[in-house]
Amino acid sequence: KAGVTQTPRYLIKTRGQQVTLSCSPISGHRSVSWYQQTPGQGLQFLFEYFSETQRNKGNFPGRFSGRQFSNSRSEMNVSTLELGDSALYLCASSLGLRDGYGYTFGSGTRLTVV
Amino acid sequence: GQNIDQPTEMTATEGAIVQINCTYQTSGFNGLFWYQQHAGEAPTFLSYNVLDGLEEKGRFSSFLSRSKGYSYLLLKELQMKDSASYLCAGLNTGFQKLVFGTGTRLLVSP
Repeated sequence: KAGVTQTPRYLIKTRGQQVTLSCSPISGHRSVSWYQQTPGQGLQFLFEYFSETQRNKGNFPGRFSGRQFSNSRSEMNVSTLELGDSALYLCASSLGLRDGYGYTFGSGTRLTVV
Repeated sequence: GQNIDQPTEMTATEGAIVQINCTYQTSGFNGLFWYQQHAGEAPTFLSYNVLDGLEEKGRFSSFLSRSKGYSYLLLKELQMKDSASYLCAGLNTGFQKLVFGTGTRLLVSP
């Protein structure tokens, strides 16, 4: 079956612009989480959605937002981009962390802000 | 806080055994996951421990001690392809997110 699909794979933006990243989870997975990965900080939790509701949010500024649609696809948006937003953005879906299924990650979107 | 600590880097020889340790604050988590991430790729699920003890999966085993806030990943019969980063992640008490350590980069040499 298809894995987690993230688009686009690579993106170059200018400071001050905004960007929207897309994630399609594995069919049947209702939970979608977003992480930012940088060399120094590792994987940092952005937010988690379940059935179109944001259930959990990490410690990121309000410039970072997201949403989930009725088909479980999710988008995240970053407004007023800063150089420090350059990172790999990973989306992950899960059948249920409580049951030990873990995340399945997408290949990520590599965002470069210049 | 929800700190997860693991060594930054380790080296080992092909065919050897290596143990990657992970410590965490006991009050913050319900279980421990381990992921493998090759350079330029997404993390992939290796193991999950929710109860104390050892879980074995082929060449890889993972151990958890909840009272000590301690876990380790044991890799046996190391192969060159095992060179990767290994991420320890705690499942938060709400069961809604994983908190990751910064990862341990393992370099396997011939």
